[in-house]
Amino acid sequence: DQQVKQNSPSLSVQEGRISILNCDYTNSMFDYFLWYKKYPAEGPTFLISISSIKDKNEDGRFTVFLNKSAKHLSLHIVPSQPGDSAVYFCAASARGTQGGSEKLVFGKGMKLTVNP
Amino acid sequence: DSGVTQTPKHLITATGQRVTLRCSPRSGDLSVYWYQQSLDQGLQFLIQYYNGEERAKGNILERFSAQQFPDLHSELNLSSLELGDSALYFCASSVVGRGPPGTDTQYFGPGTRLTVL
Repeated sequence: DQQVKQNSPSLSVQEGRISILNCDYTNSMFDYFLWYKKYPAEGPTFLISISSIKDKNEDGRFTVFLNKSAKHLSLHIVPSQPGDSAVYFCAASARGTQGGSEKLVFGKGMKLTVNP
Repeated sequence: DSGVTQTPKHLITATGQRVTLRCSPRSGDLSVYWYQQSLDQGLQFLIQYYNGEERAKGNILERFSAQQFPDLHSELNLSSLELGDSALYFCASSVVGRGPPGTDTQYFGPGTRLTVL
């Protein structure tokens, strides 16, 4: 039972254009969502997060949008740069839910390639 | 550099053996989490410790155990190893177990790659 789904395994975009990475979840108890970036042979690096009380959070070139009714979130990277090429993981937790925990439930990841 | 350290970086061992993976959290972080990433899989939560106490458990096998010491470093013990235990094992840490947004973001170490032959 995969509670966090990243349905596209890969995405290729041109430098300077927008990258949109999508994530769907099934557990309505999730109240905190995060995006991590991972380079080969390294651990996941935290990018940006959003609480379920918000629908948008922005940090520089990175913006995360949350649509709770659709149980969908997306990460926008504008403008995309070659250094953004990595595997991106969507993660969720039921941090504030009664009986919930801080454990992160991850999607399987999506490989982003930004071409110069 | 996340500030989370893990040793060793690589570990090669045989089936039936026992290994210990070590994690030092970021300075000030009280929570430690262990995750397993197998081939073609996302990261799977194993177990969480908060200030020395077990806080949450995922699908951790009975052959696996963990502990967090008074200095807050943590060890993950894997015993009776099987070929399927070959994976990347990540440790993460966060400031508190629960709290307002931004206070419990988990920061990951570089991982330990375990190969069971």
